[in-house]
Amino acid sequence: DAKTTQPTSMDCAEGRAANLPCNHSTISGNEYVYWYRQIHSQGPQYIIHGLKNNETNEMASLIITEDRKSSTLILPHATLRDTAVYYCIVKLIGGGADGLTFGKGTHLIIQP
Amino acid sequence: ETGVTQSPTHLIKTRGQQVTLRCSSQSGHNTVSWYQQALGQGPQFIFQYYREEENGRGNFPPRFSGLQFPNYSSELNVNALELDDSALYLCASSLTNHHGRVEETQYFGPGTRLLVL
Repeated sequence: DAKTTQPTSMDCAEGRAANLPCNHSTISGNEYVYWYRQIHSQGPQYIIHGLKNNETNEMASLIITEDRKSSTLILPHATLRDTAVYYCIVKLIGGGADGLTFGKGTHLIIQP
Repeated sequence: ETGVTQSPTHLIKTRGQQVTLRCSSQSGHNTVSWYQQALGQGPQFIFQYYREEENGRGNFPPRFSGLQFPNYSSELNVNALELDDSALYLCASSLTNHHGRVEETQYFGPGTRLLVL
């Protein structure tokens, strides 16, 4: 699976959009981009995933650049409960027997 | 919340002992993966079970072993506990199709926090 690079930490004001970047310059054509988050001492929570088109669900939007070498997770109206570590993971389509490869993620802190 | 449950929530053991952690997968899922998360680190993949067999393994020694049962629930066993085994142990369930390909991504349980003294 391709390696990802994320900033160690970010701040965002409550009510604003939080934009979390991820670089995955070695991604291959058959790899998805997944985002998970982990609130302190809880299990990781699935947020969203995509291949090449932008995706949106009730939690967030995922913007993937045309060359697929980077992506941005957008939380449109951040709340204090969105404070968490956010992980960007690249995974082979249909793959899974080797598990998800988590890096250190981005610690997002929502400021009141 | 996901439908993945884990027990116990917390556990304290001493070095050299053995421990068994349990996981029930989300309804409709047939695959269970286990992860170890040390303090301040991301989760690290231990192994995955599908059709009651180990289907993939990360860089963990053989004293980490597992089982999957016909109802898709799973156990993680760790023998000869070491101090460095102190961590949050996470279980995730997913759906694998009959071609062996993942059809749905992994959903995690709340974890079991193990402390080895």
